[in-house]
This record gives sequence, C-alpha cells and structure tokens, in this order.
Amino acid sequence: EPEVTQTPSHQVTQMGQEVILRCVPISNHLYFYWYRQILGQKVEFLVSFYNNEISEKSEIFDDQFSVERPDGSNFTLKIRSTKLEDSAMYFCASSDSLLSGRAMNEQFFGPGTRLTVL
Amino acid sequence: KNEVEQSPQNLTAQEGEFITINCSYSVGISALHWLQQHPGGGIVSLFMLSSGKKKHGRLIATINIQEKHSSLHITASHPRDSAVYICAVQNYGGSQGNLIFGKGTKLSVKP
Repeated sequence: EPEVTQTPSHQVTQMGQEVILRCVPISNHLYFYWYRQILGQKVEFLVSFYNNEISEKSEIFDDQFSVERPDGSNFTLKIRSTKLEDSAMYFCASSDSLLSGRAMNEQFFGPGTRLTVL
Repeated sequence: KNEVEQSPQNLTAQEGEFITINCSYSVGISALHWLQQHPGGGIVSLFMLSSGKKKHGRLIATINIQEKHSSLHITASHPRDSAVYICAVQNYGGSQGNLIFGKGTKLSVKP
C-alpha cells in the first residue's frame, strides 16, 4: 500500500541553524501539507502546496519557513534559522483531489520528523 | 478560541466496552476527519465524513451537520485501540483542504 515517508525521523540541531525536513508524498497525489505538533499540544496547520506553489499558509509559517518540491517526488520544509520554539513533531501529508479543484479526499500522513532545537 | 472541541479529554475503559468520543465545531465545514495517533506519534486517517455515518470494522463515525457535531464509536474495545483520537475539520472557506484539529481524546483500554 502506498504511503507517505519522511526523513529523518529525528533531527537535533543547534539554535540558529538551518534544517530541511524531507517528505515523499504518495506518487499520484496533488495536494501536499505540512503540519506541526508541539509536545503535549494539538496538531497545527503550517502550509499547503498545490501545482508547485503555496496555496495557503498559517500565521506560524513566517519568513523563516519555506517549502519546495524540487524534483517531482520530494516535498521539503526548510527552517532557515531555528529557534527553541520550533522544537516539535513535523508531519507531512498528501491527498488527491477529485471535486471541483478542492482537496476533498482523505489525507495520508507521514510518520513525522521530531525536531529538537537546543 | 477553539474551533474544534473534543470530549472527553481522557477516557479509560475496560476491554469490551462500547466507547464514544464526541467532537463539536464552530465553523462551516466541507468535511470532518477522525484520526488516530499512536504513542509513537504517527497519525492514521480513520474516516472522512461530510454527512451521515460511516463504518469500518468496529469503528463507526457519525456527523450531524445541523448541530455541528460528530461522534466516533468503538464497539467491543480492545487494548490495541489505546491511542489518541483526533477530530479535525476542513473549513468550508478554505479551498485547499488544510485541517483544523481538536486537542484529541486519549483513550486507554485496560485488559
């Protein structure tokens, strides 16, 4: 069964360093998402991506964050200068779209990357 | 302000019990999702609903659009059902499907 994969599973970095989190969505999916979950808190939306551009982004997704689909299979989240408060689990998800251009289908989540900023 | 509220926050049950987890939301939605998060952190999609009822094995999900309420039921609960169950909604105004999450219900089923 196709699945979303994420690497690495755990990333430890120093404050101020750049990190790139990688995701491989399911191959025929069109919509891609990044979410994050700070320990003990609810999952929060960061950004959605469709047709090689950002569709929507939350207030969390500031200038320190960027996303890219560099080669048609990988989907990456870059944090330019990490802060302590960026420590969280980051989830990638993907879905296909069948209805009037809206992402109306089930989202498939990757296993997450746990980012620890020291 | 919480757009998605779940109850209870924590639930302990004995194996075999019938379990209900509730979700209320305050925004117009195009769909509601029930997700399961395992202790290791991974998230699995259980259901996506826009009306009525869906059943998969021992899991049943219902939604009442007029009342802005959904329930997830687990029949004949088992210790392997222990996980956090998360309700998430797709805002009707959003076109790209990003989800608004509840805080989750932590379920523990004792043998």
